[in-house]
Amino acid sequence: KQEVTQIPAALSVPEGENLVLNCSFTDSAIYNLQWFRQDPGKGLTSLLLIQSSQREQTSGRLNASLDKSSGRSTLYIAASQPGDSATYLCAAPLLGDARQLTFGSGTQLTVLP
Amino acid sequence: GAVVSQHPSRVICKSGTSVKIECRSLDFQATTMFWYRQFPKQSLMLMATSNEGSKATYEQGVEKDKFLINHASLTLSTLTVTSAHPEDSSFYICSARDPLAGGQETQYFGPGTRLLVL
Repeated sequence: KQEVTQIPAALSVPEGENLVLNCSFTDSAIYNLQWFRQDPGKGLTSLLLIQSSQREQTSGRLNASLDKSSGRSTLYIAASQPGDSATYLCAAPLLGDARQLTFGSGTQLTVLP
Repeated sequence: GAVVSQHPSRVICKSGTSVKIECRSLDFQATTMFWYRQFPKQSLMLMATSNEGSKATYEQGVEKDKFLINHASLTLSTLTVTSAHPEDSSFYICSARDPLAGGQETQYFGPGTRLLVL
């Protein structure tokens, strides 16, 4: 059974800082690795999806990396802004059932103006 | 991108009553929908997989007689919490898979339904 862990659970940074969120998973036989954003009381917004054969994906100020051998992924946010404040979740579906997303507990990010 | 809606966005009910939550895919047909539950400060936990025209598949530990799922059409799945109790208070989120967009991994999430059982 896949287990996904995210560290830190919460992070507070001043505006403009670059930051890294971490995600680790126990079973490296993943279909892909996905990062989501969740605003308070809201659903999930997909940010980046890295296929298992890829090493990283970039979208604007976001860059996600994947190292299957070590069971880790990182989400790098450049030049953080107060609007980036949210909870960030990663999910690592297994090859056996790519539809079943196993989520980490999330990192709650606060970017201070 | 594809849009998934949920109704209601929040509901408060008395213990013992039943509550129905709707999940709709607005601009695509979803053969598969997923229901998740999220407790405060915790991650999403998959409750069940809803397949159009067939019975839902429940995750271990989820009572199928308590959480009734109906996926009667390609755009609508409903979750009914029967005889709700305070411990069922949670944030329920659905997602829908668009089989025509990007393969198996493309899931679109609804905005969630906050259930409070008094």
